[in-house]
Amino acid sequence: GAVVSQHPSRVICKSGTSVKIECRSLDFQATTMFWYRQFPKKSLMLMATSNEGSKATYEQGVEKDKFLINHASLTLSTLTVTSAHPEDSSFYICSALREGSETQYFGPGTRLLVL
Amino acid sequence: KQEVTQIPAALSVPEGENLVLNCSFTDSAIYNLQWFRQDPGKGLTSLLLIQSSQREQTSGRLNASLDKSSGRSTLYIAASQPGDSATYLCAVPHGSGNTGKLIFGQGTTLQVKP
Repeated sequence: GAVVSQHPSRVICKSGTSVKIECRSLDFQATTMFWYRQFPKKSLMLMATSNEGSKATYEQGVEKDKFLINHASLTLSTLTVTSAHPEDSSFYICSALREGSETQYFGPGTRLLVL
Repeated sequence: KQEVTQIPAALSVPEGENLVLNCSFTDSAIYNLQWFRQDPGKGLTSLLLIQSSQREQTSGRLNASLDKSSGRSTLYIAASQPGDSATYLCAVPHGSGNTGKLIFGQGTTLQVKP
């Protein structure tokens, strides 16, 4: 089956630093990837749509300068949380839409803790 | 604006029971509906995808139904096992097309006791 990986799986950082999270589709090409955020005991909230070779599309209320997304290749999208603050602590999950398929394949998630 | 709701938020059953998880959505013009499983601290695994033209999908002990007119879907789990313990999420795409952008329900956390 299709596999999506995320790196790192968890990260702890100091307030004010930037953190980069990678999302890779390991065995298929994905022109579109999605970034979600999940708070404890809450559902997933879509943050942005990452399109290969073009700018990401952000959902209402999501700061594009805060959450930088780059989709440089057909298998890699990155999310950079800039100047992280404790309120950015969350579980970030990416998904990849396989070309020709309607099913999204989700990564295992990245737990971010900002101290 | 589409809203997805899942009831109950949590469910605990003894092993072997059949159970039903509920998902409702406010806008019936959906392209498809998916059910996912999420284990604690993990990502999502797609269980079943029902197209808008379909009424149900089956995979092993899982059966998902879809009633667009009433804005409801159910996930039926037969002969539950402790390994079924997880959070189950339903999701529909934004808008009426296959945008890929999903709106999730809050999830139902299932515990199956041995």
